Amino acid sequence: EAQVTQNPRYLITVTGKKLTVTCSQNMNHEYMSWYRQDPGLGLRQIYYSMNVEVTDKGDVPEGYKVSRKEKRNFPLILESPSPNQTSLYFCASSSGTSGVTDTQYFGPGTRLTVL
Amino acid sequence: GENVEQHPSTLSVQEGDSAVIKCTYSDSASNYFPWYKQELGKRPQLIIDIRSNVGEKKDQRIAVTLNKTAKHFSLHITETQPEDSAVYFCAAIQDSWGKLQFGAGTQVVVTP
Repeated sequence: EAQVTQNPRYLITVTGKKLTVTCSQNMNHEYMSWYRQDPGLGLRQIYYSMNVEVTDKGDVPEGYKVSRKEKRNFPLILESPSPNQTSLYFCASSSGTSGVTDTQYFGPGTRLTVL
Repeated sequence: GENVEQHPSTLSVQEGDSAVIKCTYSDSASNYFPWYKQELGKRPQLIIDIRSNVGEKKDQRIAVTLNKTAKHFSLHITETQPEDSAVYFCAAIQDSWGKLQFGAGTQVVVTP
């Protein structure tokens, strides 16, 4: 079954404790992306990746890191989480030939709370 | 960079009526405009998209129109049903391998 998976689905942590949210897709997609969703602000892109070892900043990259060592995985790293990073996070991927202008598939979301 | 504004933020319609959501974008070079539907507690899903070389696209009860001159595009839902209740997001992008800019979303409530 074609899918995008994220782990964990829910996480409560404390300020400053490094964490990683994993994202994996089994569709051989080249374009992958991370978004955060906050009430009234819609979906905001954090980082995106066009292929292995190729990443770029979205609109809200501060406080986040990403890596793309393998095509299927695109982890989101919060080196020192702060309360303003409390949010719902979505990973997404799009098929390879046309980047994000092919259908973008979203993962189930990760609800993060930073105390 | 691109800026996308979406209106209204909430929309309440009677079942069977039509719903229209409008988005404006700032970058005249934008050329791809998807619409996503997000049901409560679920992930966003693409419902329709349009590219800058066409002015209208339909898929059953939903349609999208694009006015490049005015830099706005709209989602039209006809004969609304309770299952159309969701948050709808518009988005715009210039470079298919670049950043995707979303609107803030419209909460649509269809009342029986």
